[in-house]
Amino acid sequence: AQSVTQLDSHVSVSEGTPVLLRCNYSSSYSPSLFWYVQHPNKGLQLLLKYTSAATLVKGINGFEAEFKKSETSFHLTKPSAHMSDAAEYFCVVIPGGNYQLIWGAGTKLIIKP
Amino acid sequence: DAGVTQSPTHLIKTRGQHVTLRCSPISGHKSVSWYQQVLGQGPQFIFQYYEKEERGRGNFPDRFSARQFPNYSSELNVNALLLGDSALYLCASSTRDSSYNEQFFGPGTRLTVL
Repeated sequence: AQSVTQLDSHVSVSEGTPVLLRCNYSSSYSPSLFWYVQHPNKGLQLLLKYTSAATLVKGINGFEAEFKKSETSFHLTKPSAHMSDAAEYFCVVIPGGNYQLIWGAGTKLIIKP
Repeated sequence: DAGVTQSPTHLIKTRGQHVTLRCSPISGHKSVSWYQQVLGQGPQFIFQYYEKEERGRGNFPDRFSARQFPNYSSELNVNALLLGDSALYLCASSTRDSSYNEQFFGPGTRLTVL
């Protein structure tokens, strides 16, 4: 069965320090992977996506993620956190040949001043 | 440019009632998808429509139905509401029917069932 596991429900970092949000997936097929961000009272926004091209994917707002097939991981990183990064982040997988997006439970990112 | 719009923004219903939620996609987008997001969880896929045809259905009971109109707007209908249907209902549009294309989300409709 296909699934997505976000390993941390909450991550708290100080402004200016690195961010790491962890995501592991299971898929029987070559997957496509996404990260979405949801700010309070705003719609979901696509941060970045991996679709079998380069394994290191750069997204908006300085975020990037690396696809590691051997570890079945797609962790999201940012070198320096900003207060505006405070939001909920979702890792999403599309198993190959399927229309259905499978969402992780989300990680709430808290930025301390 | 207008993004995806949804109406109403909030809705309160009682058990057993039915509800209709509406979504207008971004101009030029022909695909609409619906998701249910229960508090503290990620969105769950309900339906995808493309060119007025159902292209995908998630694991939801038959009480949930949807349709897409010639102008590509969409309605989600839920009959015989249960307390567990309380959630944020999200609509997303994209240019094509493949989920590999970026989906643009509306702000959602918050449904509360009492």
